[in-house]
Formats: sequence, structure tokens, C-alpha cells
Amino acid sequence: DGGITQSPKYLFRKEGQNVTLSCEQNLNHDAMYWYRQDPGQGLRLIYYSQIVNDFQKGDIAEGYSVSREKKESFPLTVTSAQKNPTAFYLCASSQGLKGGYTFGSGTRLTVV
Amino acid sequence: EDKVVQSPLSLVVHEGDTVTLNCSYEVTNFRSLLWYKQEKKAPTFLFMLTSSGIEKKSGRLSSILDKKELFSILNITATQTGDSAIYLCAVYGGATNKLIFGTGTLLAVQP
Repeated sequence: DGGITQSPKYLFRKEGQNVTLSCEQNLNHDAMYWYRQDPGQGLRLIYYSQIVNDFQKGDIAEGYSVSREKKESFPLTVTSAQKNPTAFYLCASSQGLKGGYTFGSGTRLTVV
Repeated sequence: EDKVVQSPLSLVVHEGDTVTLNCSYEVTNFRSLLWYKQEKKAPTFLFMLTSSGIEKKSGRLSSILDKKELFSILNITATQTGDSAIYLCAVYGGATNKLIFGTGTLLAVQP
């Protein structure tokens, strides 16, 4: 079955460490997105990529980095510069406007 | 600035009640409005609305869009405990053609 796989589901890291969240899709979608979800704040866009080897900053890109070397993969690195990294991170993909976005199951990152 | 506003932020009802969730938007280059249901992890797609006044229906859920008033509602009739979730409204548009999400409405249905 086609879908988006995010890993790991839960991640704990010490303050000051970089951490990379994985997102893989086998839907052959061109566009991929990373969102952050905090209680009461809905989904906020971190980065997005509409084509391989190209990506743009979203609304809250500071302290994050991404790469898009393959169509299927869009990993997100949470760097030590991100001041409040504890959150639920969702990856999504889309192919134009058909059916909206397909979401992964998310990664809950806790920094201690 | 493009924005999507949902109300109420949270709602508690009893099984069998009917609820109406609201979504208003101010988004340039509007293309479509989507509703998602998020239970524990991944949001799941409910409806996509592009035309005013045409109701979309799926079982006990229905939704309609008013492009003149920049507004959409999601109705759930005869609510069940399984309807408890966060309901997200998102608008496709803006300067870069991507989904802009509202804050969501947290619905709790009590037995």
C-alpha cells in the first residue's frame, strides 16, 4: 500500500544535540512538507519541497534544516539552534491539488 | 497575511448531539478548502470544497463552503464517542499555493 512513513514515532534527545527525523513516501508525489504541531496552535509549516533538490522555508524554519536528494525522502534535522524543539512533527506529501495532503503518523520529539 | 480561524477551539457534547464547527479564512489566491480529522496521530482527509453552496456529505458528516462570506462549516449529526478528535480546517492558496491550517477544534463526545 502507498503511504508516508515517519520514523521514529517517539524520540528523546538531550538539549544541544542535533536530531534527524525521517520521512519516506512511495506515492510518487512531487511535493513534501514538514509541519510542527503544538497544543492549541494547529499545524505550522517548517519547510516544503515541490521538487527534488529544491526546498523553501515555511513560516517557522529557524533552527531546522532539510534536504531533498531523492523524490521519496525528505528528512528534517532539528538543530541545537531551535529554542523549543519539543513538539509533534508531521510530514506530508501531495501531488497538485488532488485529494489534499497525505500525512505520516508523526514523530513526537522530547528534548530534556 | 493569510490566515484560517476555527471556532470554537474546543467543544464537549453528549452522544446523539449535533455539532457545527466553523472555519473562516482570509487567504489570497483561494483554490480549495479542506477538512481533516485528527484522532491521535496522522490527520485523515474528510472533504475538499471548491464551490460555494454545494454540500458535501459522508455519512453523518457534511460540509459546505461560502466563498462570498469566506466561511465553511462542518456538521456532525448524531455524534458518537468515535467522533472525538481534533478537526482541522485548511485552505489551499496563498502566494505559494500550499495548505494553510487553522488551529483546529477539539471535539469531545461523552457517552
